[in-house]
Amino acid sequence: EPEVTQTPSHQVTQMGQEVILRCVPISNHLYFYWYRQILGQKVEFLVSFYNNEISEKSEIFDDQFSVERPDGSNFTLKIRSTKLEDSAMYFCASSEMGNGYEQYFGPGTRLTVT
Amino acid sequence: GQNIDQPTEMTATEGAIVQINCTYQTSGFNGLFWYQQHAGEAPTFLSYNVLDGLEEKGRFSSFLSRSKGYSYLLLKELQMKDSASYLCAAPNQAGTALIFGKGTTLSVSS
Repeated sequence: EPEVTQTPSHQVTQMGQEVILRCVPISNHLYFYWYRQILGQKVEFLVSFYNNEISEKSEIFDDQFSVERPDGSNFTLKIRSTKLEDSAMYFCASSEMGNGYEQYFGPGTRLTVT
Repeated sequence: GQNIDQPTEMTATEGAIVQINCTYQTSGFNGLFWYQQHAGEAPTFLSYNVLDGLEEKGRFSSFLSRSKGYSYLLLKELQMKDSASYLCAAPNQAGTALIFGKGTTLSVSS
């Protein structure tokens, strides 16, 4: 069964460093998303991406964040200058279509900022 | 804006039936999702309701009442592996994001 994959599974970085989290969505899916989940808290939407542009972003997704689809398979989230409060699990998701379609989540990248 | 409420924790025993409630207020309505999330893992899709009524899928069923802004997830014949968080989620008005509730942590004991 096709699945969303994410790398790395765990990333440790120092405050102020840049990190890139990578995702390979399901191949025939057109809509891509990033969510984050701080330990013990709810899953929070960051950004959605369709047709090579951002469709929606939350207030969390400020100027330190960016997304890119550098080729036909990868979807990346870059955090430019990490802060302690960016420590969280970051989930990539994809869906075949938009509204009302199931989003398939990847296994997540646990980001630890020290 | 959107607001999704669900109980924080529930406990039940193996073989029992449990109902997890969710109330929501949304700007526009684009359906309601239920996801399961085991500790340290990704959310996995359980159900999607867009029309009123009960959708049954094996041991799991989900109910929706749009007029009451209410949904529930019904889990029958509980097994230990059902111990997990159950997340109620609704798309935003544009349908471009899923907004999640805080989740209900279900503990199943023998």
